[in-house]
Amino acid sequence: EVQLVESGGGLVQPGGSLRLSCAASGFTFSSYAMHWVRQAPGKGLEYVSAISSNGGSTYYANSVKGRFTISRDNSKNTLYLQMGSLRAEDMAVYYCARVGVSGYDWGDFDYWGQGTLVTVSS
Amino acid sequence: QLVLTQSPSASASLGASVKLTCTLSSGHSSYAIAWHQQQPEKGPRYLMKLNSDGSHSKGDGIPDRFSGSSSGAERYLTISSLQSEDEADYYCQTWGTGMEVFGGGTKLTVL
Repeated sequence: EVQLVESGGGLVQPGGSLRLSCAASGFTFSSYAMHWVRQAPGKGLEYVSAISSNGGSTYYANSVKGRFTISRDNSKNTLYLQMGSLRAEDMAVYYCARVGVSGYDWGDFDYWGQGTLVTVSS
Repeated sequence: QLVLTQSPSASASLGASVKLTCTLSSGHSSYAIAWHQQQPEKGPRYLMKLNSDGSHSKGDGIPDRFSGSSSGAERYLTISSLQSEDEADYYCQTWGTGMEVFGGGTKLTVL
C-alpha cells in the first residue's frame, strides 16, 4: 500500500525557517517525481515545488522561489521541503504528492499525504 | 495561460446523480486532467485521470459510481447514487512542462 506521511509542521515566526519531511512507503520511491502542494485556510490547492525522481531537477512556484528548497533522499525514501524567510501568506497545510507516471516530472497526482500544518505568526 | 475553471458550489439529493464541470482555458482543449476529492478535514484523494477523448483511469478503490467524460474543453465528473460521504470539495488538476494547475474547486453538498 502506498503511503505518504508528512511531518515537521508547526508554529514559526515571520522570517523564520522550518523543514518539512514526507516519508514514503509501498512503492519504489526513487522511480517517481514528487511534489509539494499547499492549501491556505479555507482556500484551494496551490502547487509549491517539484523534484525529479533522481533529484537532479527541481522546480518552484514563483511565490516561493529563492526561499524554499526541495530535496529528497532516495536511500531513506524521504522528501523534504526546507522553508525560509517565512511569511504570513505561507501559512497553510502542506501536502506531498506523487506524480502518477514513473519517470515523468509533471502529471496527475495519484497519491497524497495527509498534510502538515505550517502556522506563521508572531 | 493554462487555467482551469470550476463552479464554486453544487448540490444534489441523496441517491441522485450530479455532474461537475472543469473547463480548460482557450487553446488547451486537448489537455488531460485529474479529479481529486477532499472530504472535510482530510487530504485530497485521487479519483481519476481523464483524457480529452473521455477515456479515464481511476485510482485505487474508487467506486464505479464515479465516472468521467469530456466534451471539447470541458471535463466532467459524474457521481451517481450520491451518498452522504460524497459531500466534499472536488478539484480538477492539469499539467504541462514546468507547471501544475488546479481549478478553484467545487463544494458539493448532498441534500
